[in-house]
Amino acid sequence: QVQLQESGPGLVKPSETLSLTCNVSGGSVSSGSFYWSWIRQSPGKGLEWIGYIYESAVTNYNPSLKSRVAISVDTSKKQFSLKLSSMTAADTAVYYCARGFGGVPYFYLDVWGKGATVIVSS
Amino acid sequence: DIQMTQSPSSLSASVGDRVTITCRASRTISNYVHWYQQKPGKAPNLLISAASRLQSGVPSRFSGSGSGTDFTLTISGLQPEDFATYYCQQSYSSLPYSFGQGTKVEMK
Repeated sequence: QVQLQESGPGLVKPSETLSLTCNVSGGSVSSGSFYWSWIRQSPGKGLEWIGYIYESAVTNYNPSLKSRVAISVDTSKKQFSLKLSSMTAADTAVYYCARGFGGVPYFYLDVWGKGATVIVSS
Repeated sequence: DIQMTQSPSSLSASVGDRVTITCRASRTISNYVHWYQQKPGKAPNLLISAASRLQSGVPSRFSGSGSGTDFTLTISGLQPEDFATYYCQQSYSSLPYSFGQGTKVEMK
């Protein structure tokens, strides 16, 4: 059974870049059948898609974050990563990695990590 | 962007009650709606895909219906473990795959 686990700093300074990693166990991150995704949740904005990567190289990002986001995969380490630049207090949230399934239009998230709390503060 | 509006935002119910949560899309989206349950401090958990397809391991008291713009999640016979927040999500268009704002089911 596939399990996901986020890791990364819990505190980021304003204007810095957030780097989070999601470790994938019990399955292959290089599988072309799945969309390795990042979602975040904040009290003010609820659940928000950040983006995903599939087939190890094809990415799709939320247009509202596209200029600041990069998602990549390291198949040798069985992990995928999120980088979000120019962080502000508005980016304070719980960040989840998740496995997307189905592709457009039946796209849903069937496996989630436990979430990583990220606070942006000096 | 497609907006997903859930109603009510919260509700109070008792064990054994039938609970209905509605999700309305800002434009027609066929049956490309999925439902999640989230408990405090936990990640969301997929309950239903494609409006009505119950996921493996999800109790049969959960059901989903709808097509077009209006969708419903029903819990028939609320159990203590069902007190949680429920979210709908659309996947009709490419990102952003928007979520509803959530419906919190609380104990009466």
